[in-house]
Amino acid sequence: DSGVTQTPKHLITATGQRVTLRCSPRSGDLSVYWYQQSLDQGLQFLIQYYNGEERAKGNILERFSAQQFPDLHSELNLSSLELGDSALYFCASSSHLGREGGYTFGSGTRLTVV
Amino acid sequence: DQQVKQNSPSLSVQEGRISILNCDYTNSMFDYFLWYKKYPAEGPTFLISISSIKDKNEDGRFTVFLNKSAKHLSLHIVPSQPGDSAVYFCAASAGNQGGKLIFGQGTELSVKP
Repeated sequence: DSGVTQTPKHLITATGQRVTLRCSPRSGDLSVYWYQQSLDQGLQFLIQYYNGEERAKGNILERFSAQQFPDLHSELNLSSLELGDSALYFCASSSHLGREGGYTFGSGTRLTVV
Repeated sequence: DQQVKQNSPSLSVQEGRISILNCDYTNSMFDYFLWYKKYPAEGPTFLISISSIKDKNEDGRFTVFLNKSAKHLSLHIVPSQPGDSAVYFCAASAGNQGGKLIFGQGTELSVKP
């Protein structure tokens, strides 16, 4: 157990639908990062939050949004889902900016859009 | 624009031999580099890192080498063990971009007994 909890582990939904992925960071970590891993792709950075505020944005689609709540958990909202959104979505957390020690990943949410 | 590249999708080595995983980057602003290991159905786990002010960092069986002029880094695993079989991701970070890590596509290492 890495200490980063992601729910649900698996999600199957239809095109056009909206889903919410949840992440609870490791205790004490202020930064949360979201990554997407599609088939045969590396980890693509989506977005970072630090202590409730958006810190950095990557190649996140406009149909996707995220937030970090006062208790530091984070949610990634994916709407108007398309088949191509099927992927593994990872959340990671770090105490500060995660550079020297890297950061800790959760086990991911596997999203399948049918 | 793939700023971090791992050109070998897979690598197979014999147990006890050396495994060398390679990674190239294009962004000269990257100043911190990390390697992660990933098993199936698990998230990536941090393995080893190196700052751009160094050219080598060692941790047990794992050594990372950085060649800044060539924008190349490599991970050496000696001796390789069957439990090392996993996907290895190289990642890079730039100081002016907070904690954002840019990952390569990964190399699947298979260590055969």
